Amino acid sequence: DTAVSQTPKYLVTQMGNDKSIKCEQNLGHDTMYWYKQDSKKFLKIMFSYNNKELIINETVPNRFSPKSPDKAHLNLHINSLELGDSAVYFCASSRDLNTGELFFGEGSRLTVL
Amino acid sequence: AQSVTQLGSHVSVSEGALVLLRCNYSSSVPPYLFWYVQYPNQGLQLLLKYTSAATLVKGINGFEAEFKKSETSFHLTKPSAHMSDAAEYFCAVSVAPYGQNFVFGPGTRLSVLP
Repeated sequence: DTAVSQTPKYLVTQMGNDKSIKCEQNLGHDTMYWYKQDSKKFLKIMFSYNNKELIINETVPNRFSPKSPDKAHLNLHINSLELGDSAVYFCASSRDLNTGELFFGEGSRLTVL
Repeated sequence: AQSVTQLGSHVSVSEGALVLLRCNYSSSVPPYLFWYVQYPNQGLQLLLKYTSAATLVKGINGFEAEFKKSETSFHLTKPSAHMSDAAEYFCAVSVAPYGQNFVFGPGTRLSVLP
């Protein structure tokens, strides 16, 4: 059983479209995250949720909207996709806000044409 | 705010040789430090972590790292490289509350030559 799973793994779409990436963790963790990894492998946090509550919202365009229906799920919806949104998006979880060990999903590679 | 630098975006070693990946951090409060590995087309996997206990930390796959406060360093080593070690390695620093304050370094790509 995969601890943190993301779908889809690959996503190719046109500029202007709307897409979603789903994430689920079966670790019983309270805290979940979205990270963006750019073409140079640089990792940057986008959002953090703790028990379904938004904790961190970095300077991300408001075209990006996370949603956490329950603490085991954190989905990412992106509106009006732009070329610069092409990246690998990683979902991660930690036991709680104070635990410094992150468990990562395998990533979702988004390509915007 | 904390930060991480990794010297060398790409390191090549021969199979069987010592692996040394460098990480220096900056933090105004005692940090936790981590090394993660990313194999091609996969997510990040924790190799080891320093959380203010022993300064020499042993991780998976024969890797270890030593926390040196005086040098603000947390270098990753492995005595003998294996072909399967070829991957991207990320050093990360975090301060309390730790889950919220992760900062990753830019990564070092390790190549292992036969």
